[in-house]
Amino acid sequence: DAGVIQSPRHEVTEMGQEVTLRCKPISGHNSLFWYRQTMMRGLELLIYFNNNVPIDDSGMPEDRFSAKMPNASFSTLKIQPSEPRDSAVYFCASSKAGVSNQPQHFGDGTRLSIL
Amino acid sequence: DAKTTQPNSMESNEEEPVHLPCNHSTISGTDYIHWYRQLPSQGPEYVIHGLTSNVNNRMASLAIAEDRKSSTLILHRATLRDAAVYYCILNGANNLFFGTGTRLTVIP
Repeated sequence: DAGVIQSPRHEVTEMGQEVTLRCKPISGHNSLFWYRQTMMRGLELLIYFNNNVPIDDSGMPEDRFSAKMPNASFSTLKIQPSEPRDSAVYFCASSKAGVSNQPQHFGDGTRLSIL
Repeated sequence: DAKTTQPNSMESNEEEPVHLPCNHSTISGTDYIHWYRQLPSQGPEYVIHGLTSNVNNRMASLAIAEDRKSSTLILHRATLRDAAVYYCILNGANNLFFGTGTRLTVIP
């Protein structure tokens, strides 16, 4: 079975540019999560969706960040404009339903570098 | 969010059992105890989870204290591929809070 698929794997861009990260969850999973990992702050939850609806976006750093889930098989995380401090590894994860006893399955991440 | 406390690092010899401890004294009755691990340059990987009873799967065993304020992840025979950061997480509302975890080093 295909796992969570993220693209691109690596992204290098200049400050001020728009960045779009993409995620395809595992088929049949109802919940989707975006995380960010840095050396300083570790792994942080940014936002999560249940049945394509954003449930908790309290982890989104600021208005420059936005996330969408137009359908059950696709989500995007957009940063506009990007800044050097946004450099991090961004992970997408999915799980079945919105219950706490279901494991989350993570993608391989997008390593983002803002110059 | 209820937090967990884990040692920063541990070492184990290859082929030996490893017991990774986790304290979660503020756990609530509905929190599940989840363990994930993260190998270098990879995303976190689910290992095991439980609520009250001990659990076993092909990767590991999870021993949960009777008062649920602590748990132990048991790798029965450590291999070099088990070298990773292990995270103990309380999942009460589908919101995983990853602390700093325990970095496990496996010595050949």
